[in-house]
Amino acid sequence: TQLLEQSPQFLSIQEGENLTVYCNSSSVFSSLQWYRQEPGEGPVLLVTVVTGGEVKKLKRLTFQFGDARKDSSLHITAAQPGDTGLYLCAGPKNAGNMLTFGGGTRLMVKP
Amino acid sequence: DSGVTQTPKHLITATGQRVTLRCSPRSGDLSVYWYQQSLDQGLQFLIQYYNGEERAKGNILERFSAQQFPDLHSELNLSSLELGDSALYFCASSVGGGQGYGYTFGSGTRLTVV
Repeated sequence: TQLLEQSPQFLSIQEGENLTVYCNSSSVFSSLQWYRQEPGEGPVLLVTVVTGGEVKKLKRLTFQFGDARKDSSLHITAAQPGDTGLYLCAGPKNAGNMLTFGGGTRLMVKP
Repeated sequence: DSGVTQTPKHLITATGQRVTLRCSPRSGDLSVYWYQQSLDQGLQFLIQYYNGEERAKGNILERFSAQQFPDLHSELNLSSLELGDSALYFCASSVGGGQGYGYTFGSGTRLTVV
């Protein structure tokens, strides 16, 4: 069992649709980060959320940190093929900066 | 280019062999992290170095070792390789060693053990 559970594991949608992916834990995190990974590349940091209830927007992507700081969501509006990739959430596991990652949501946006 | 350089990009080797993976962190970053990514296990933390010293250890096998040199580049040594060690190995770096710092990842080394 992973400390961070992501759902769904796979998502295939048409261009223009909206979607939400989730990152859940039974543990409280001081912060959560979202990364996107494309084939053959390393994950790229999209956003860090720190405050419970915080909402951050990055163009068509909206990130929310749960009030209790145990969960987070990523909503994409009007998805485009360029959004295709593996979306990973991550949070610091202990007092150090070592991040533990969720299993990821693999998103495919078809033109 | 993320600023984190990993070499080699691909590596094919036989069981029982030893390999060294190299990572140069982004300029100014003091922390280096090594992760292993496989299809069934996701991204698994191996080890962290901060300014030359080991800071945290994850599920790193005894056959694996790492170090960070004075110029802050890091090497991950994998020995007595087994088929199950085939995976993507990522290095990441961050400015500090405490919470709240995002990682910058390299492009990874794809290791295939045959």
